[in-house]
Amino acid sequence: KQEVTQIPAALSVPEGENLVLNCSFTDSAIYNLQWFRQDPGKGLTSLLLIQSSQREQTSGRLNASLDKSSGRSTLYIAASQPGDSATYLCAVYNNNDMRFGAGTRLTVKP
Amino acid sequence: GAVVSQHPSWVICKSGTSVKIECRSLDFQATTMFWYRQFPKQSLMLMATSNEGSKATYEQGVEKDKFLINHASLTLSTLTVTSAHPEDSSFYICSARGFGTGGLIEQYFGPGTRLTVT
Repeated sequence: KQEVTQIPAALSVPEGENLVLNCSFTDSAIYNLQWFRQDPGKGLTSLLLIQSSQREQTSGRLNASLDKSSGRSTLYIAASQPGDSATYLCAVYNNNDMRFGAGTRLTVKP
Repeated sequence: GAVVSQHPSWVICKSGTSVKIECRSLDFQATTMFWYRQFPKQSLMLMATSNEGSKATYEQGVEKDKFLINHASLTLSTLTVTSAHPEDSSFYICSARGFGTGGLIEQYFGPGTRLTVT
């Protein structure tokens, strides 16, 4: 059974800082990996989806990388802003379903 | 992109009653839908996988007689929480499997339903 781990569980940074969120998974035979953002009490917002054949995806200030062989993905956020404060979830799709990590709770202080 | 809706967005019910949550894929057909549950400050936990026209597959520890799932059409799946109790209070999120860019599989998520059982 796929296990997805996210480190750190919580992170607090001053505005403007660059930061990295980490995700690891136990079964490398994945179909794709997706990063989501979730605001308190809200649903999921998809940020980036990386197919198993890809190594990274970029959208604005966000960059996600995938190293399937080592079972790792990182989400890089450049020039963080208070509006980036949210919980970031990593999810891995394989074996016909999607499994989530516990998330990283990010706080960006003005 | 593909859109998945859920109804209701929130519901409050009394202990012992049943509650039905609908999940619809609005602009695509979904042969497979998934139901997740999320407790406060925790991640999403897969409850069951629902395939159109067949019985749902439940994850270990999820009571199939308590959480009834029906996937009667390619655009609709329902989750019924039977004889709800306060410990069933949670955020329930559905997703539908479809095809994104280049015909590759993607999962699209609904906005969630917050259930409070009093």
